[in-house]
Amino acid sequence: GDKVKQSPSALSLQEGTNSALRCNFSIAATTVQWFLQNPRGSLINLFYLVPGTKENGRLKSAFDSKESYSTLHIRDAQLEDSGTYFCAAERASSSFSKLVFGQGTSLSVVP
Amino acid sequence: EAAVTQSPRNKVTVTGGNVTLSCRQTNSHNYMYWYRQDTGHGLRLIHYSYGAGNLQIGDVPDGYKATRTTQEDFFLLLELASPSQTSLYFCASSDDWGDTGQLYFGEGSKLTVL
Repeated sequence: GDKVKQSPSALSLQEGTNSALRCNFSIAATTVQWFLQNPRGSLINLFYLVPGTKENGRLKSAFDSKESYSTLHIRDAQLEDSGTYFCAAERASSSFSKLVFGQGTSLSVVP
Repeated sequence: EAAVTQSPRNKVTVTGGNVTLSCRQTNSHNYMYWYRQDTGHGLRLIHYSYGAGNLQIGDVPDGYKATRTTQEDFFLLLELASPSQTSLYFCASSDDWGDTGQLYFGEGSKLTVL
């Protein structure tokens, strides 16, 4: 089954509004990363998280390793926030840990 | 900000063709990775390396070879390309020992195998 499940799969937001994206993990995750794939196809790293929260401008992310989820909050959405958001969880392992990616949330910000 | 550069950005080849995708990172990161991205499958790890001369297999290695010639350079080789290898390929690098660390991706290389 899906080890990293993102929700919603797609979302349309009006410019200036707020929203939250979520990742649920069925694996024991030690760290989480969030990426934005912009319409040009580039993958941009937004956050690298150990359990806790981080904030960067209009974006805020939280990772709860005990409850096995992470969230990405977007405040005052702008047109340039459009794209596909991926989360990736690092599996807890004694050997080299690999990232497990979610399937992505496609976000469209409209005027 | 880490810089990861891929080439070529676009490549078209025929079935059975020989393709090399190149990746160079300029931030002295230890780890480098090759991923492929396909609709319905997300990002899947092909090969990775934690230093020059080192190679580790990922989750979908069949049909691919890779070589890490220096700390900066990581190559992905398709010696007999097949249409199933049509995909968007990303190289990435990270710094951390032991853990994956924050990933920095290149711009992607779109490969079409006819």
